[in-house]
Amino acid sequence: DAGITQSPRHKVTETGTPVTLRCHQTENHRYMYWYRQDPGHGLRLIHYSYGVKDTDKGEVSDGYSVSRSKTEDFLLTLESATSSQTSVYFCAISESPNRGKNTEAFFGQGTRLTVV
Amino acid sequence: QQQVKQSPQSLIVQKGGISIINCAYENTAFDYFPWYQQFPGKGPALLIAIRPDVSEKKEGRFTISFNKSAKQFSLHIMDSQPGDSATYFCAASKTGNTGKLIFGQGTTLQVKP
Repeated sequence: DAGITQSPRHKVTETGTPVTLRCHQTENHRYMYWYRQDPGHGLRLIHYSYGVKDTDKGEVSDGYSVSRSKTEDFLLTLESATSSQTSVYFCAISESPNRGKNTEAFFGQGTRLTVV
Repeated sequence: QQQVKQSPQSLIVQKGGISIINCAYENTAFDYFPWYQQFPGKGPALLIAIRPDVSEKKEGRFTISFNKSAKQFSLHIMDSQPGDSATYFCAASKTGNTGKLIFGQGTTLQVKP
């Protein structure tokens, strides 16, 4: 696996509580992404970052916020968790997708989040 | 809306057979089409990718066929092995679009010994 560590790997939380998932990379890649994986939907982009403090929304960003204070860390926060946010969350990194070509996206092992 | 549609949802193939997974896309601006393989409990990993300037790309037992006019592409796994049993995702992206990937719904492949 590329140098990507997601934490925690599993979490159960109650509805209405805030939750923060962490993605840490050792590859010094500029781009970082948060996806969620749900049956029948594949993976859907939540938010992504193209540099320190530079982030933007993906297709399913409602109810989520992100922060990137260092190149190596990308945090995903569920402000007030709901049952619809029960999912498997994947962090991905990519080197330089804007250099006129696409480069491979490497994925972490995932975080299984259950909101009860 | 689902910009990339993948079928079938699940597939059972005998060892040595050919596995075929199909994807269709809507956005003609897409110009990068990767396939990802995911084993249980793991993250997706890039298997093979193609750009629309070629109609076919082969890497070992894995081949992507691409039909630009039909906006379709498919993954063929020749001589399928039990170790190929996994979930496969097609995806699409636009060059210069920050590497954001639009994924298909996924296909769970089971290769029976």
